Amino acid sequence: DAGITQSPRHKVTETGTPVTLRCHQTENHRYMYWYRQDPGHGLRLIHYSYGVKDTDKGEVSDGYSVSRSKTEDFLLTLESATSSQTSVYFCAISEYSGGPYNEQFFGPGTRLTVL
Amino acid sequence: KQEVTQIPAALSVPEGENLVLNCSFTDSAIYNLQWFRQDPGKGLTSLLLIQSSQREQTSGRLNASLDKSSGRSTLYIAASQPGDSATYLCAVGGGSEKLVFGKGMKLTVNP
Repeated sequence: DAGITQSPRHKVTETGTPVTLRCHQTENHRYMYWYRQDPGHGLRLIHYSYGVKDTDKGEVSDGYSVSRSKTEDFLLTLESATSSQTSVYFCAISEYSGGPYNEQFFGPGTRLTVL
Repeated sequence: KQEVTQIPAALSVPEGENLVLNCSFTDSAIYNLQWFRQDPGKGLTSLLLIQSSQREQTSGRLNASLDKSSGRSTLYIAASQPGDSATYLCAVGGGSEKLVFGKGMKLTVNP
């Protein structure tokens, strides 16, 4: 298994509070991603990073911000959590070999409940 | 906008059957296609990656094919086992390392 950990694994919070989820990798891969998985919608990309301090938005980025200050860590922040952000959040990584695009490996997920 | 469809959403079969799981996509300008397995409450496990220049990939009892021109991929599972029960997802890579996922197909293999 790819060395990807996510913390926390479960979190319950209240509407309006800030929440930060952490993804940590030991593979030294260049690309890191945050997805959310919801019934009826499948997996959707929130943000991704293509290097330290280099990030870009995905399909459902509103209400989320990210930071990557080290190769191994990618943080997802909900500045003011809402009930619509209740979901399972997955981190993924991939390596760049000059193309074509590469296999993504996923972490175990974080289940977030916003009350 | 790329759309990925997996039909049916669920499938229940007896053990030992050879299975074909379908994935279709609307934009044939893809770079790769990846098949994943997800067990309940778990993350995604990568099964096979097919680059756009390839027609198929094989791993053990799994074989995935890709037909870009028709916008389809199939995952073939030989001699299914109860341990194959899981949700199978396909995802299409179209650029900037982004994947677009189908909603998955829940497979149940009955002993």
